[in-house]
Amino acid sequence: AQSVTQPDIHITVSEGASLELRCNYSYGATPYLFWYVQSPGQGLQLLLKYFSGDTLVQGIKGFEAEFKRSQSSFNLRKPSVHWSDAAEYFCAVGESGAGSYQLTFGKGTKLSVIP
Amino acid sequence: ETGVTQTPRHLVMGMTNKKSLKCEQHLGHNAMYWYKQSAKKPLELMFVYSLEERVENNSVPSRFSPECPNSSHLFLHLHTLQPEDSALYLCASSQVTAGGGEQFFGPGTRLTVL
Repeated sequence: AQSVTQPDIHITVSEGASLELRCNYSYGATPYLFWYVQSPGQGLQLLLKYFSGDTLVQGIKGFEAEFKRSQSSFNLRKPSVHWSDAAEYFCAVGESGAGSYQLTFGKGTKLSVIP
Repeated sequence: ETGVTQTPRHLVMGMTNKKSLKCEQHLGHNAMYWYKQSAKKPLELMFVYSLEERVENNSVPSRFSPECPNSSHLFLHLHTLQPEDSALYLCASSQVTAGGGEQFFGPGTRLTVL
């Protein structure tokens, strides 16, 4: 069974600083990988996804993530954080088989941004 | 309406009440999901419906009863809940294809059980 680890529960960065959120996954085949963001009291919004091809994926709101098979990682990055990026971020892995639909989510990383 | 909508957004109920949560997706997807999100716990998948058939039921207590009358609507019927059932309940939908379809989430229903 697949699993996702987000080692950082809470991260605080200054506005304008760079950001990297870590995600490690466990899955036997090539995974489908996702990053979601959740603002307080809201649902999850998809930031970006990796299915195949280029291992550097661009997403919305200036985020990008890099798939590294050798490290089983899919870290999320942003070069300059804005105060509006304060939220909780979830990494998820999906099965790559036909008819698959289930996602496994990490426990999330809460991001605080200092003005 | 676009995307995935959920009603009500907030619900307060006593332990003896019966209520229902409603989810509607306007994306033409063929799979729908119920998740429970409690404070300091990971997102818990409760139920999955694919092509209107329940395909996952992850050891959820019988006081939660899902219903999927068609591919656009999903309900979660609640009865005799416990205070520990207080949480944010999220609905999601996706298109099941060759695999890995991303899920689109609704805004959630914040449930408080007194």
